[in-house]
Amino acid sequence: QVQLVESGGGVVQPGRSLRLSCAASGFTLSNTYHMHWVRQAPGKGLEWVAVIWYDGSKKYYADSVKGRFTISRDNSKNTLYLQMNSLRVEDTALYYCARQYRGYDYWGQGTLVTVSS
Amino acid sequence: DIQMTQSPSSLSASVGDRVTITCRASQGISNYLAWYQQKPGKVPNLLIYAASTLQSGVPSRFSGSGSGTDFTLTISSLQPEDVATYYCQIYSSAPPTWTFGQGTKVEMK
Repeated sequence: QVQLVESGGGVVQPGRSLRLSCAASGFTLSNTYHMHWVRQAPGKGLEWVAVIWYDGSKKYYADSVKGRFTISRDNSKNTLYLQMNSLRVEDTALYYCARQYRGYDYWGQGTLVTVSS
Repeated sequence: DIQMTQSPSSLSASVGDRVTITCRASQGISNYLAWYQQKPGKVPNLLIYAASTLQSGVPSRFSGSGSGTDFTLTISSLQPEDVATYYCQIYSSAPPTWTFGQGTKVEMK
């Protein structure tokens, strides 16, 4: 069965970096599906963060993270990544990876990122 | 950028009530619209995609309609387990847009 498992969250100081991972199982990451990162600040709504095309040919980012975050994928490990640099307090959120197939049909459980001095 | 306006931000209804939530896009998005349900402390769950197609396993009391700029999620008969926050989302590759609405919190009266 399809599973997405995020990891890599934690507490980090402003300006530092963190890399999130999303391990996929039950399907092949590179087959047909665009993969996304979505975040949710405490008590707030959902915010789309980034997408990588199924073949890796395109990547798009929300304006709030453009130039600081990088989405990537390692097909050999069936894993999605989000490299987050120059972190800000406002990046504090639960970060989900999600598979896009007519909407987000599968989500991970999320990994919490807290940016605080 | 395409903006989504979702309303209302919250509502309170009784068991058996018909509930309607709307989303309006700032420009036409065809039918690239999805609806999600997020129960407290849980991961969002896809209810409807392509504006009106029910995701497998979702109860038939949920329905979606609309095309272009105006979309609606309807719960035909509200049940206690429907207490949740509901989000609409554009999922368009051209132009590349995956914006969520602000969310609607549905509570039981």
